[in-house]
Amino acid sequence: GESVGLHLPTLSVQEGDNSIINCAYSNSASDYFIWYKQESGKGPQFIIDIRSNMDKRQGQRVTVLLNKTVKHLSLQIAATQPGDSAVYFCAEKQGGKLIFGQGTELSVKP
Amino acid sequence: EPEVTQTPSHQVTQMGQEVILRCVPISNHLYFYWYRQILGQKVEFLVSFYNNEISEKSEIFDDQFSVERPDGSNFTLKIRSTKLEDSAMYFCASSPPSGRASEQYFGPGTRLTVT
Repeated sequence: GESVGLHLPTLSVQEGDNSIINCAYSNSASDYFIWYKQESGKGPQFIIDIRSNMDKRQGQRVTVLLNKTVKHLSLQIAATQPGDSAVYFCAEKQGGKLIFGQGTELSVKP
Repeated sequence: EPEVTQTPSHQVTQMGQEVILRCVPISNHLYFYWYRQILGQKVEFLVSFYNNEISEKSEIFDDQFSVERPDGSNFTLKIRSTKLEDSAMYFCASSPPSGRASEQYFGPGTRLTVT
C-alpha cells in the first residue's frame, strides 16, 4: 500500500551544525507534506509544510525540500540547537488524514 | 497562543472497561481528528470529524470506537471495551476552517494503559 517512510531512525549532530532529515514517499499523487517535531511526552508539533507545486520552502532555521522526481522530502535545520533534540516525522496528507512516517530521532551533542 | 488540550494525561483501565478520552480543540477550528501512537511506533490516523459527523475513519476505528462532540467545545473518543492492544498515546488534533484545513494542530496526548 501507499506509505511514507524515513531513511534513518537516528541522527546525532554537534550543536551548531546543520541537520538534514530525509523522508521517502511512495504515493506520486501526494500533493501536500508536513514535517512535525515530537518531543518526549508531547504531541506532534507542526514545523513546516510544502505543497507539490513547490520544491523548496523556508521557515525560521528550517528548510523543506521536495524532489517529486524521486519522491523524496528533506528537512534541513540550520545551526542545530539542543532544543532541536526530538523525533521528527514527515507526514503526507491523503484526503483529510495525515499518514505519518516512522520518525527520525535527532540528538544534538553540546 | 491557542492550544488543543486533552484530559486526562494518563488513564489506566482494566481490560473490558469503557474509557472516554476528552479533547478541547482550538476554538475556531472546524475539523477534528483522533490519532494514536503505540509506544515506539509511528502516529496512526483513527478518525476525522466535521460538521458533527465522521468524515473518514481507518481500519483501526472499529465498532469499539466512537466519537462525539457533545457540546460546542469538547470532542471525545470512547472505547467501549478496551483491549490490551489499545494501550497507546491518543492524540487529538484540530484544523482551522477550510482554506487551511491541511494544518493540523495536535494536543499533548492521553496515555492509555490497559491492564
